[in-house]
Amino acid sequence: KNQVEQSPQSLIILEGKNCTLQCNYTVSPFSNLRWYKQDTGRGPVSLTIMTFSENTKSNGRYTATLDADTKQSSLHITASQLSDSASYICVVSRWSGGQNFVFGPGTRLSVLP
Amino acid sequence: DSGVTQTPKHLITATGQRVTLRCSPRSGDLSVYWYQQSLDQGLQFLIQYYNGEERAKGNILERFSAQQFPDLHSELNLSSLELGDSALYFCASSARGTGGDEQFFGPGTRLTVL
Repeated sequence: KNQVEQSPQSLIILEGKNCTLQCNYTVSPFSNLRWYKQDTGRGPVSLTIMTFSENTKSNGRYTATLDADTKQSSLHITASQLSDSASYICVVSRWSGGQNFVFGPGTRLSVLP
Repeated sequence: DSGVTQTPKHLITATGQRVTLRCSPRSGDLSVYWYQQSLDQGLQFLIQYYNGEERAKGNILERFSAQQFPDLHSELNLSSLELGDSALYFCASSARGTGGDEQFFGPGTRLTVL
């Protein structure tokens, strides 16, 4: 079954600290893996997109890693800011006669002052 | 602001009714995607269009249909509405509709079915 799992479900950290969010997937055939940031009630915003051959991609303070062998990805946030408080969603795209997207449930991050 | 617009922002209707959600993609983008986000099922991919043609289909119910017009705006039609259809509906657009394209999401339409 094509599934994406994320951990932890929620996370609270202090401003300035680093954190790492995890994503495990069983989606095939794999096309790419995306991380999105979603503020409550707003549309997701793309952070990174990684294909099979990429194992690290950065976007400012966000760094995503991908291990296609173990089907795991992580999103590392450095020097967190209050504005990082949001849900972070891992999405795996599969190709089966057309694209399809399998979404994880998200990790809810709260950054406290 | 992503450049993707969606109307209306909010919609309240009754079970059994039909509604139409509208999306205008970013200038220059040829592909449009529709997603549903509900509390119990999270985000789900519904359907993708590219330059007026259906390109991919996800978990879209038979009661739902969509189309993309020559001016590239798209509409999602939801009929015979049920309580469980209450959700946020997002539209996204991308330049070419290919696998590695970055998608830009609109602000969403919140549908409440009473």
